[in-house]
Amino acid sequence: ETGVTQTPRHLVMGMTNKKSLKCEQHLGHNAMYWYKQSAKKPLELMFVYSLEERVENNSVPSRFSPECPNSSHLFLHLHTLQPEDSALYLCASSHGQGAEKLFFGSGTQLSVL
Amino acid sequence: KQEVTQIPAALSVPEGENLVLNCSFTDSAIYNLQWFRQDPGKGLTSLLLIQSSQREQTSGRLNASLDKSSGRSTLYIAASQPGDSATYLCVLRGNTGKLIFGQGTTLQVKP
Repeated sequence: ETGVTQTPRHLVMGMTNKKSLKCEQHLGHNAMYWYKQSAKKPLELMFVYSLEERVENNSVPSRFSPECPNSSHLFLHLHTLQPEDSALYLCASSHGQGAEKLFFGSGTQLSVL
Repeated sequence: KQEVTQIPAALSVPEGENLVLNCSFTDSAIYNLQWFRQDPGKGLTSLLLIQSSQREQTSGRLNASLDKSSGRSTLYIAASQPGDSATYLCVLRGNTGKLIFGQGTTLQVKP
């Protein structure tokens, strides 16, 4: 148990659906991240939030929309996804955006039909 | 541009063997290096974090080393067990704060 909780663990959605992924941490961290892990590829950073402000957006399509209402919660809103968006989506947090150790959640395995 | 390479991509060993996983990087200007373990379909669990000024870190049966001059880090696992079967990821943090992930080494320890 890393202290970072992601829900749901698994999600199957159609291309026209709207869904949200949730990440929660109560470690007192002030930086949170969304990563995408496709099969047999390195993790890809999607978004970084530091002190609830988005500080990095790695050219992610607009069908992915992050939200960070407070330092403990991070959401990833999904709409009109494509089958190639099927992947494991991982949330992470750290104490500071700099050189601190990362703590990862267990991920949401997303399948887009 | 920093690149991180992990070799081999997959490794299978009998239980009880000592083994070494390799991670190489092209730019020695790093802030720290972290080794993670990932079980299939799950998140990453941090194993060891080595700061740029350190040469190695140890935790139980695991020992990670860092040699910036040669652009290498190794993860040594002593007396491997079937429960060690997982994918091991090497992650660099550059001086700009950016994280760069290796593609991982998938380890299978056979009973």
